[in-house]
Amino acid sequence: GDSVTQMEGPVTLSEEAFLTINCTYTATGYPSLFWYVQYPGEGLQLLLKATKADDKGSNKGFEATYRKETTSFHLEKGSVQVSDSAVYFCALSHNFNKFYFGSGTKLNVKP
Amino acid sequence: EPEVTQTPSHQVTQMGQEVILRCVPISNHLYFYWYRQILGQKVEFLVSFYNNEISEKSEIFDDQFSVERPDGSNFTLKIRSTKLEDSAMYFCASSKGIRTGGGYTFGSGTRLTVV
Repeated sequence: GDSVTQMEGPVTLSEEAFLTINCTYTATGYPSLFWYVQYPGEGLQLLLKATKADDKGSNKGFEATYRKETTSFHLEKGSVQVSDSAVYFCALSHNFNKFYFGSGTKLNVKP
Repeated sequence: EPEVTQTPSHQVTQMGQEVILRCVPISNHLYFYWYRQILGQKVEFLVSFYNNEISEKSEIFDDQFSVERPDGSNFTLKIRSTKLEDSAMYFCASSKGIRTGGGYTFGSGTRLTVV
């Protein structure tokens, strides 16, 4: 069945460090891939998405590229800020009716 | 920006009791969903709801669970007889439609603790 695996956290970085959060998936067909972010006390917010192979999603300095050959969708940011501290969820969906999520990776950014 | 609102934010209930989790979806959305996340585990799909009926449900969504849109604005998840393993964060979501995922928005969740 469909599933998403992402690296366990927490990930602790200093401000301005480079961020990578790994995500791999198992799916039939060609799903769309997503990164969601959850700030403390808030809901899951869509950060970026990619709907087909080789697409790059980007938003707020974050990027992820849909790699079909490695079934991956790793999240990257060149220079993190304290305000990026949150839990990040990788997800896939075939029809936007149902999402399959990873278990989340908590990011702590220290000043 | 429109929000999906969930109440309460925390609920503690005794094992065997019924609990109702409430959600107010975005007003022009047509599809409604519940997900849950047991502590330390993945966010899991429970059920989707459209046109006043369940359109899809997971194997987790057994006879102990039910959903309802009682008044055209609220969307509720009822657990009839709670078990310890129902302790989790429950997320409601709504969207304009499938295939495009237009406006798919999650609420901030209700943390349910069964004691």
